[in-house]
Amino acid sequence: AQKITQTQPGMFVQEKEAVTLDCTYDTSDQSYGLFWYKQPSSGEMIFLIYQGSYDEQNATEGRYSLNFQKARKSANLVISASQLGDSAMYFCAMREGILTGGGNKLTFGTGTQLKVEL
Amino acid sequence: ETGVTQTPRHLVMGMTNKKSLKCEQHLGHNAMYWYKQSAKKPLELMFVYSLEERVENNSVPSRFSPECPNSSHLFLHLHTLQPEDSALYLCASSQSLQGAFNQPQHFGDGTRLSIL
Repeated sequence: AQKITQTQPGMFVQEKEAVTLDCTYDTSDQSYGLFWYKQPSSGEMIFLIYQGSYDEQNATEGRYSLNFQKARKSANLVISASQLGDSAMYFCAMREGILTGGGNKLTFGTGTQLKVEL
Repeated sequence: ETGVTQTPRHLVMGMTNKKSLKCEQHLGHNAMYWYKQSAKKPLELMFVYSLEERVENNSVPSRFSPECPNSSHLFLHLHTLQPEDSALYLCASSQSLQGAFNQPQHFGDGTRLSIL
């Protein structure tokens, strides 16, 4: 079974609108962390935002926020006021804890291609 | 951010060639990683190094040979590759393998490898 599922291969949003990119995860660990990365066409993976499994509040970083619903095992990325430069692939990733052997290993989803239009 | 630098950016090689990919991190991190990114597939973790010691090898074929001479440099030596090895190879680093959950991995721009 996939540990990280991103069901939207592609998304379109108009400039200045908000967009939500979906991510669901599967783990038996109580301690884990969820990351979102952005990958422009240049190839570099850019870290955007982090949510810990014990964090009581949803993470926010500038225009990025995370809609974390632990019981549903979802960690959706919300981008507000979309800009043309937001067009890129977006990856959700998970770092699991002790039950999976620990270590800073990330499991990635297949990504969502976001296109921001005028 | 240019904390992790990969060279070359693009590489085309024949199946009988030998080449190496280079990664250098300027972040003072102790852990380094090689990933393979193929089209429409999740990133695949290939190798993990912590303080120059290999701690993980995810069933990667022996035609890929990593080397970590120090905590700032990581190489991936390639020989007799197959067409299915064509992909984007990404290097990443992090402060450590253990420690706080919230430490992200920092990635380079990748090397786009094409096998003829």
